[in-house]
Amino acid sequence: NAGVMQNPRHLVRRRGQEARLRCSPMKGHSHVYWYRQLPEEGLKFMVYLQKENIIDESGMPKERFSAEFPKEGPSILRIQQVVRGDSAAYFCASSPWDGGRYEQYFGPGTRLTVT
Amino acid sequence: AQSVAQPEDQVNVAEGNPLTVKCTYSVSGNPYLFWYVQYPNRGLQFLLKYITGDNLVKGSYGFEAEFNKSQTSFHLKKPSALVSDSALYFCACLVEYGNKLVFGAGTILRVKS
Repeated sequence: NAGVMQNPRHLVRRRGQEARLRCSPMKGHSHVYWYRQLPEEGLKFMVYLQKENIIDESGMPKERFSAEFPKEGPSILRIQQVVRGDSAAYFCASSPWDGGRYEQYFGPGTRLTVT
Repeated sequence: AQSVAQPEDQVNVAEGNPLTVKCTYSVSGNPYLFWYVQYPNRGLQFLLKYITGDNLVKGSYGFEAEFNKSQTSFHLKKPSALVSDSALYFCACLVEYGNKLVFGAGTILRVKS
């Protein structure tokens, strides 16, 4: 059973460009979470999605960031007009259903560098 | 608001000695508590969790953690450290029926031979 897949693993963007980060959850998992890890910091929750629904986006910046988890295909975290402060590691996690009793399984992360 | 504190930025221990990585939490409901480990340039690997039941939880790679409700702590322990245990350890909390993990800042564990 493959784990959580994320691509690309490394992404370099110039300021003002768009970044698209992809996440394929573990087989059988219908809940996806995105976290951001800034340099020298712990992970911060960004958004929680189920298929075709955003359940909790309380950790998402108000502008430039969006996320989706379509009926078919991976979950996408999209950052428009990137700035240097967006440079971070972005981790996706998945769980079988509501996170309560079930641990979240993390992907290897996408390291975004904005130049 | 819930929070997790890991009071030590770094823990140093000699190989073969017992290790403890500390974690305290603050939540308004029943907490679900987790420990994850992160190796350089890798994702987080799940070690163990406390949901309910026995206060002593056993996990992967010989690690265990003790839930202490009165002290709101969930310290990670291992009886005999290995050099390969050197990594970044995160404690995290999920409120019952909640969805998002709240992480501590992380503790670097260095095990020296």
